[in-house]
Amino acid sequence: DVKVTQSSRYLVKRTGEKVFLECVQDMDHENMFWYRQDPGLGLRLIYFSYDVKMKEKGDIPEGYSVSREKKERFSLILESASTNQTSMYLCASHRVTNYGYTFGSGTRLTVV
Amino acid sequence: QKEVEQNSGPLSVPEGAIASLNCTYSDRVSQSFFWYRQYSGKSPELIMSIYSNGDKEDGRFTAQLNKASQYVSLLIRDSQPSDSATYLCAVNMVSGGSNYKLTFGKGTLLTVNP
Repeated sequence: DVKVTQSSRYLVKRTGEKVFLECVQDMDHENMFWYRQDPGLGLRLIYFSYDVKMKEKGDIPEGYSVSREKKERFSLILESASTNQTSMYLCASHRVTNYGYTFGSGTRLTVV
Repeated sequence: QKEVEQNSGPLSVPEGAIASLNCTYSDRVSQSFFWYRQYSGKSPELIMSIYSNGDKEDGRFTAQLNKASQYVSLLIRDSQPSDSATYLCAVNMVSGGSNYKLTFGKGTLLTVNP
C-alpha cells in the first residue's frame, strides 16, 4: 500500500523556535507538496517540489522554507515559529500526472 | 486566479437518501478531477477520480463531469451516517511547463442523519 509518513502527529513548540516537519514517501514519487489547513480557509499550498533539490513557492510561503535532499523525503522548516503558524500541516505526493495526491496523516502544530 | 468553488454547506440528508455535492472550476484546460473525503481531524482520502465527460460509478459513489460547463459533481447513493465528512473537490491546474498541481475547493460538509 502507498504510504506517506509524517514524523509527528501532534507537536507543541514555543514562539521563536525553529521547527522541522518531516515527510517521507515510499512510492518513488517525484512530486511532493506541503499544505496547511485551517478552518474556513481550506487547504493552502506552502511549497512543492518536482524533483530532488528542486522547490517552488506555493500560495503562502512566507515564514517557511523546505528541503529535499532525497527523493523520498520533503521537509518543511519554520525558521522562527509564530502563533499564527498554529495549524494542521499536510504532506502529499504523487507520480503520474493524472492521478490524485496521497496525503500523510498530518501534523497538528501548536505554537505557544 | 485559478479557482475551484464548492458550497461550504452544511449539507444535511437523511440516511438512505442521495447526497449531491457540486463543484465548479475556472481553468478550461483542466483534465483531471478528484473527490476527497476528509473526516474531522483526519487527512483527505482520495475516493473518486474522473478524466472524461460523463459519469463514473464506483459502488455507492458516482462522479459526473461536464467540461463545457466546467462542472463536476459527486453523488452518494444510499447515504450512511459513516459518510458524514467534508468532501473536497480537486482539479489539476497547469503549473510551469508540463508540471501540474491540484487546486482544492474549500470543501462541503455533509451530515447524514440516522
